[in-house]
Amino acid sequence: NAGVTQTPKFQVLKTGQSMTLQCAQDMNHNSMYWYRQDPGMGLRLIYYSASEGTTDKGEVPNGYNVSRLNKREFSLRLESAAPSQTSVYFCASRSSGNTIYFGEGSWLTVV
Amino acid sequence: EDKVVQSPLSLVVHEGDTVTLNCSYEVTNFRSLLWYKQEKKAPTFLFMLTSSGIEKKSGRLSSILDKKELFSILNITATQTGDSAVYLCAVPFEGGSQGNLIFGKGTKLSVKP
Repeated sequence: NAGVTQTPKFQVLKTGQSMTLQCAQDMNHNSMYWYRQDPGMGLRLIYYSASEGTTDKGEVPNGYNVSRLNKREFSLRLESAAPSQTSVYFCASRSSGNTIYFGEGSWLTVV
Repeated sequence: EDKVVQSPLSLVVHEGDTVTLNCSYEVTNFRSLLWYKQEKKAPTFLFMLTSSGIEKKSGRLSSILDKKELFSILNITATQTGDSAVYLCAVPFEGGSQGNLIFGKGTKLSVKP
């Protein structure tokens, strides 16, 4: 049972480049989340999806787009990367029993 | 406004000390409170608390929830350097915003040998 799978683990981008972070969960969870984590800032919610076909903005959505392709997958896209988007990104899903499962994280550097 | 507040934000202790980490919350339709440990990677699950006054215990770690006063504590006894990490508190709830899930900012624990 893989849980939450997140790719890539590490990525270096040039300013202005685009990329997509992929996330998939095999636990049949409805709710999925994308967070970024910066030193001293804790986990900040970028976007979330309460169910397949729905997405909503979180605390820091600017510069990002998401897509809930199906119940399993929830991707995060940076259309034009900026150095301020250098961060660690975590995908998470929430079970019906309210346990939160995290992906391994994606370390993104924008130069 | 729904919120989760952890204290202290950071803590430095020596091996063998006992520490108490705090998490207070104000949310709509509380469902549970979760504790996670985060080293330089993804958070790992420690405890889920749903009922007041029932202690959850795992080795040297224990946690309890007070739903009347709206807080939880995480205790670590006989601390070891391997306990050095950020400890996160998370509260899933219903009927609010932000995905019905709020994380505290975390408590950074440093255990010195």
